[in-house]
Amino acid sequence: GENVEQHPSTLSVQEGDSAVIKCTYSDSASNYFPWYKQELGKRPQLIIDIRSNVGEKKDQRIAVTLNKTAKHFSLHITETQPEDSAVYFCAASKDTGRRALTFGSGTRLQVQP
Amino acid sequence: GAVVSQHPSRVICKSGTSVKIECRSLDFQATTMFWYRQFPKQSLMLMATSNEGSKATYEQGVEKDKFLINHASLTLSTLTVTSAHPEDSSFYICSARGAGADYEQYFGPGTRLTVT
Repeated sequence: GENVEQHPSTLSVQEGDSAVIKCTYSDSASNYFPWYKQELGKRPQLIIDIRSNVGEKKDQRIAVTLNKTAKHFSLHITETQPEDSAVYFCAASKDTGRRALTFGSGTRLQVQP
Repeated sequence: GAVVSQHPSRVICKSGTSVKIECRSLDFQATTMFWYRQFPKQSLMLMATSNEGSKATYEQGVEKDKFLINHASLTLSTLTVTSAHPEDSSFYICSARGAGADYEQYFGPGTRLTVT
């Protein structure tokens, strides 16, 4: 089955700096890669996603890049703000079968004001 | 956007009792629902996938007789934790996906289960 690895596990940045979180996946058939933000005790919220036919996607301060050959994808947050502090999860799935998401282990991002 | 509700949000039960958690898609028909378990400071682990009208598919290591899943309609799936024990205490989250090519899963708010 799919295996998704995520790094780093914790990340502390100063307000205004950029943050980068990286994930690798094992199943070359995976073609959907969402990123979620989860605050304590809350549901995961989709912040951006990318499909395998696209190499990069941007939404305001958030961008995701995908390298299919290397099987890795990254989340980039620019101009970080204290409210960006949360746990971020990457995930992967494919459009066949159950289409279940396999999650990475999570990154705790702390933005210092 | 699509809305998924979960009930209850929190439940405390005694060891040995059973607890039922409901997951509802409020404004769309969910052909597939997923159940996840999340321990403190850990990731979401898929427990099972349910399709309306058919038996759930359980992930390796998840006891199907302990975690009973029923997807009785296109808007409702239930997870029953039978004979709960303290080690079953966790955050249980469901998600739902509609028919068609939409990849996105819509998550419920989660249920915090505490077994004493």
